[in-house]
Amino acid sequence: QKEVEQNSGPLSVPEGAIASLNCTYSDRVSQSFFWYRQYSGKSPELIMSIYSNGDKEDGRFTAQLNKASQYVSLLIRDSQPSDSATYLCAVYANDYKLSFGAGTTVTVRA
Amino acid sequence: EAQVTQNPRYLITVTGKKLTVTCSQNMNHEYMSWYRQDPGLGLRQIYYSMNVEVTDKGDVPEGYKVSRKEKRNFPLILESPSPNQTSLYFCASSPGTSSYGYTFGSGTRLTVV
Repeated sequence: QKEVEQNSGPLSVPEGAIASLNCTYSDRVSQSFFWYRQYSGKSPELIMSIYSNGDKEDGRFTAQLNKASQYVSLLIRDSQPSDSATYLCAVYANDYKLSFGAGTTVTVRA
Repeated sequence: EAQVTQNPRYLITVTGKKLTVTCSQNMNHEYMSWYRQDPGLGLRQIYYSMNVEVTDKGDVPEGYKVSRKEKRNFPLILESPSPNQTSLYFCASSPGTSSYGYTFGSGTRLTVV
């Protein structure tokens, strides 16, 4: 079983809609969770971090964490064409090893 | 500007010819790491370093070497590159502990022929 798994996508949403991205992880002791955005040909950029169960909001982004279900999600509200990118879920397996999912590609249709 | 700098951005080399990809960060970060990114496989960790002279293997260390002689630098060495090491490589750094994510460099696209 992979340490971090994401919906493979691609995910296509109309402009203004909500994009919902899901991620599951295998290590129950993981404590820190991150979402990165990667535009084509660019490096990953950290957009959200979450450490406690529940929701964390930052602008149009909401991260949700459920440690009992080993599940992390990212919601993008009012999706814009500029949100078209690959979104990577990342989980610390220990203090040093940050493991990534394969990513979900999102396309926002104008 | 706080950043992680990798060089070169693009590199084409031949099988067996030793090469080094340099990485430097100006944020005084404790942790540094190398990842490779391949289609369908995502980012996989090659090596990581917790501090000067302290390094450890990640998920895919075979065929790679690293060193951390100074806090700011973390070069990736391919002693005898092979075509299966053709990939997009990222260097990344973090302040330390699992409370922080990594900041990534711009990437090095390596082709081994």
